Amino acid sequence: DQQVKQNSPSLSVQEGRISILNCDYTNSMFDYFLWYKKYPAEGPTFLISISSIKDKNEDGRFTVFLNKSAKHLSLHIVPSQPGDSAVYFCAASQDYGGSQGNLIFGKGTKLSVKP
Amino acid sequence: DTGVSQDPRHKITKRGQNVTFRCDPISEHNRLYWYRQTLGQGPEFLTYFQNEAQLEKSRLLSDRFSAERPKGSFSTLEIQRTEQGDSAMYLCASSRINGRTGELFFGEGSRLTVL
Repeated sequence: DQQVKQNSPSLSVQEGRISILNCDYTNSMFDYFLWYKKYPAEGPTFLISISSIKDKNEDGRFTVFLNKSAKHLSLHIVPSQPGDSAVYFCAASQDYGGSQGNLIFGKGTKLSVKP
Repeated sequence: DTGVSQDPRHKITKRGQNVTFRCDPISEHNRLYWYRQTLGQGPEFLTYFQNEAQLEKSRLLSDRFSAERPKGSFSTLEIQRTEQGDSAMYLCASSRINGRTGELFFGEGSRLTVL
């Protein structure tokens, strides 16, 4: 039973346009959400996070939105660049203040940004 | 700054053999995690250490799996009597206690193939 779902296995966008990656979750106890990016042959790298007490967090070209009532979050990348082409994993935690590393990951969305 | 190092990068073994993976975390990180990732899935949490203490284990971690971090530095993950279902990428990650919540630094992984 997947607690974190990324329903789009892949997404293709044109360079300079907006990329929107979506994620849904089922566990209302999750209190922290993260996005990781993964290039081939590398481990995942942290991108951006958001606490459940907020509805938006922005870091440069990356913005994460959280809609708790819908149990939905999204990652916006504006403008998209070819170097953003990677697999993006949504992750959630219900252990805020504890180990902070027991993360529940989605299956990932492969983003391709075309020049 | 040296990242998380894992060894070996790739291991091919026959069913029933034992295998051991090693992880060297970032030197000042006192938290260490093991995750497993199979094809088409996101990483799944296996276990977590704070210094040398193993504080959390997933139900995914059967009794054929054992992890140690004897001196609070490097860690080993041993799989006994391997099965074909153990074929996966084994990812190690580390973090600081006072680091950003959920920000894990992953290694490149050790890929296990069980024939």
